[in-house]
Amino acid sequence: AQKVTQAQTEISVVEKEDVTLDCVYETRDTTYYLFWYKQPPSGELVFLIRRNSFDEQNEISGRYSWNFQKSTSSFNFTITASQVVDSAVYFCALSEELQGAQKLVFGQGTRLTINP
Amino acid sequence: DSGVTQTPKHLITATGQRVTLRCSPRSGDLSVYWYQQSLDQGLQFLIHYYNGEERAKGNILERFSAQQFPDLHSELNLSSLELGDSALYFCASSAKGLFSTDTQYFGPGTRLTVL
Repeated sequence: AQKVTQAQTEISVVEKEDVTLDCVYETRDTTYYLFWYKQPPSGELVFLIRRNSFDEQNEISGRYSWNFQKSTSSFNFTITASQVVDSAVYFCALSEELQGAQKLVFGQGTRLTINP
Repeated sequence: DSGVTQTPKHLITATGQRVTLRCSPRSGDLSVYWYQQSLDQGLQFLIHYYNGEERAKGNILERFSAQQFPDLHSELNLSSLELGDSALYFCASSAKGLFSTDTQYFGPGTRLTVL
């Protein structure tokens, strides 16, 4: 079965520091998709990125960047020059297909606190 | 704003009762998913509907049921509620979601408290 591990339960940094959130996954599928979602204190889940297993290029979006390494089954997320508004719980997720349908398997989440 | 709406935002009820959670997907999306987020289990997939038909089931209790209507909105029914059913229930939608892996966009959630 698919599994996603986010070993860092909580991270606390001071504003403007860079921070990396780790995500390691397990799957027997050759084609799969990985996602990151953000859950701010207000509670909603906000989509950040979707990456398929054939695309190992790193992606950068503003202060956010993602490093996908298939060889180590990792999909890490870095925030550069962190800001207080980045404080949230971040979830890494892996798609799993069930007879054509799909579901997401989530990690336990990393609570990120950015202190002013 | 993801475009997925869920009502109500909060629900407080007593053990043994029955509640209905409602979800409207993004315009044009055919798939609706339900997830439960609890402190002990984390985010868990419950069920997936595609264009009105149930397509996949996860860790959904027999006391829980769902349906997707012709206008594509969905309802999650929880009955014989127990204290342990207290959780945040999310609905998500995607454009297709059948034989394709589309991004799932989540609604704001319904926080259920069972007293």
